[in-house]
Amino acid sequence: SQQGEEDPQALSIQEGENATMNCSYKTSINNLQWYRQNSGRGLVHLILIRSNEREKHSGRLRVTLDTSKKSSSLLITASRAADTASYFCAPIQGAQKLVFGQGTRLTINP
Amino acid sequence: DSGVTQTPKHLITATGQRVTLRCSPRSGDLSVYWYQQSLDQGLQFLIQYYNGEERAKGNILERFSAQQFPDLHSELNLSSLELGDSALYFCASSVAASGGPWETQYFGPGTRLLVL
Repeated sequence: SQQGEEDPQALSIQEGENATMNCSYKTSINNLQWYRQNSGRGLVHLILIRSNEREKHSGRLRVTLDTSKKSSSLLITASRAADTASYFCAPIQGAQKLVFGQGTRLTINP
Repeated sequence: DSGVTQTPKHLITATGQRVTLRCSPRSGDLSVYWYQQSLDQGLQFLIQYYNGEERAKGNILERFSAQQFPDLHSELNLSSLELGDSALYFCASSVAASGGPWETQYFGPGTRLLVL
């Protein structure tokens, strides 16, 4: 199983700005998932992008996947205070279990 | 609300003791996963059950065990507790018709365990 590495470890922006966080992984994947975790709470699934997709949108979220670079990015547009959370990526290959990295801690300042 | 419930929400116990954490998956989900999240180790996968049988094992200590019952709820048993076992324990479930962990997982609110 492989673990995604999120970058940056921490990100602080003003409300209304866009937030971009990245994920890198080491081997080929079938799909990649992004999750959000509010402080002390369970993870919430945000979006899944398959290996044959390059971009996917869900509301204010935009995820890209570049399999040649083994990387993905999550863009949150028009950020809100409620977006303050940690964000994790989980690259999936075959029947591997989900393995999470340390995540990106996003803080939205009012 | 993910539909996954966990009890208790908080648990305080002493070293050497044994505790049981309970998880009820979303209606219709056959797979249950257990994770441990601590400050120093991050979010670690412990074990997965699918329709009553162990499906995958992660960094689960021998002092820990789990099972999934016929009604699909699951219990995680932690014994001979140590200070380092203090953590948030999450349960997740998925539809997982094939039991593959690539399925979207829905997480419960977690049980916060404090070992004194």
